[in-house]
Amino acid sequence: GDSVTQTEGLVTLTKGLPVMLNCTYQTTYSPFLFWYVQHLNEAPKLLLKSSTDNKRTEHQGFYATLHKSSSSFHLQKSSVQLSDSALYFCALSDQGGRALIFGTGTTVSVSP
Amino acid sequence: DTTVKQNPRYKLARVGKPVNLICSQTMNHDTMYWYQKKPNQAPKLLLFYYDKILNREADTFEKFQSSRPNNSFCSLYIGSAGLEYSAMYLCASSSGGGAEQFFGPGTRLTVL
Repeated sequence: GDSVTQTEGLVTLTKGLPVMLNCTYQTTYSPFLFWYVQHLNEAPKLLLKSSTDNKRTEHQGFYATLHKSSSSFHLQKSSVQLSDSALYFCALSDQGGRALIFGTGTTVSVSP
Repeated sequence: DTTVKQNPRYKLARVGKPVNLICSQTMNHDTMYWYQKKPNQAPKLLLFYYDKILNREADTFEKFQSSRPNNSFCSLYIGSAGLEYSAMYLCASSSGGGAEQFFGPGTRLTVL
């Protein structure tokens, strides 16, 4: 079946450094890919979304490019801030284009 | 207002007792979802309503029920709670396939 894989469970880094969170997926159709961010005690919020191959999408300093050839949608930021400490989920929408299939999430912890 | 509300935020239940969780949204979204999230696991879709049509996942079909009395409200009902139901339950809503899902803050259910 369809699946999303996030290889890092926890990423710890210092403020100002770059970060990349891996996301790969398996599906037989052409999906929408999403990144959601969840800060402590808050609801998950959409960070990025894409369905277009090889097009970079950006928001709030984060960016990702959907590569259908490698089934990847890695999240990057060139310089993390303390406020970026959160749980990040990669997800794809199913064949009906409605329900989301999530990865297990990556916790990012940024220190001063 | 793009908020999704969930009540209660925390719920303590006894094994064998029923549990009813409530979700509401005022964005006039046609689709409302319920996900279950356990520690270190991906959020898992339980069911979703597209308008008045209920779609339930095959592996949780018999464990969860739901109702949507109107466009704004959706409930998740557990007839007889077991220890395995302890989890965070996230409600979300969206309009259209591939559209952003707006999440509520979740209800943390603990079954004792």
